Amino acid sequence: QQQVKQSPQSLIVQKGGISIINCAYENTAFDYFPWYQQFPGKGPALLIAIRPDVSEKKEGRFTISFNKSAKQFSLHIMDSQPGDSATYFCAASIMNYGGSQGNLIFGKGTKLSVKP
Amino acid sequence: NAGVTQTPKFQVLKTGQSMTLQCAQDMNHEYMSWYRQDPGMGLRLIHYSVGAGITDQGEVPNGYNVSRSTTEDFPLRLLSAAPSQTSVYFCASSYGQGVGEQFFGPGTRLTVL
Repeated sequence: QQQVKQSPQSLIVQKGGISIINCAYENTAFDYFPWYQQFPGKGPALLIAIRPDVSEKKEGRFTISFNKSAKQFSLHIMDSQPGDSATYFCAASIMNYGGSQGNLIFGKGTKLSVKP
Repeated sequence: NAGVTQTPKFQVLKTGQSMTLQCAQDMNHEYMSWYRQDPGMGLRLIHYSVGAGITDQGEVPNGYNVSRSTTEDFPLRLLSAAPSQTSVYFCASSYGQGVGEQFFGPGTRLTVL
């Protein structure tokens, strides 16, 4: 069973601090790594995504770092704000691929709380 | 665009009852999927469809049926509800399988007594 392992399960950060969430994957064929953000009572929404041809992607305060050799990728939230409090899911898949490997495999999620 | 819509938002069933969770999208997406979300378990794929008339099983398909008669609709049927099916169910869609962003619906919270 292909897996995406996510840590930590929960994270408490002070306002203005850096939040870091890590994910590791097994299938070297994965070539699409998105992060989804979910607020309580809502469905997940795409936050940021990366392909393995780059080692880092930044969008505002959110950065994905990707380490292909270690089969790891992480989400960094700079200057964390109380409004960032949510559950974050990493995921992986093979783009443009039929069959089960074309489906997103999700990590188990990280509940982030940013304290004011 | 309404995006991905799901009905109902909440449902309580008794063990053995059947019901259908509705999902519709108005983005002309070919790929649709159903996930269940349980505490500490993340999002687990139940069934998915790559187009009208085509469905396949995901990671946790037992106890659920799906059909895809139109591009827009992808209902999920619970044939005989069990307490283990108590969960939050999300429908999602995207242009194609493994192609970019998946758009999620608001979810259905199901309790089976």
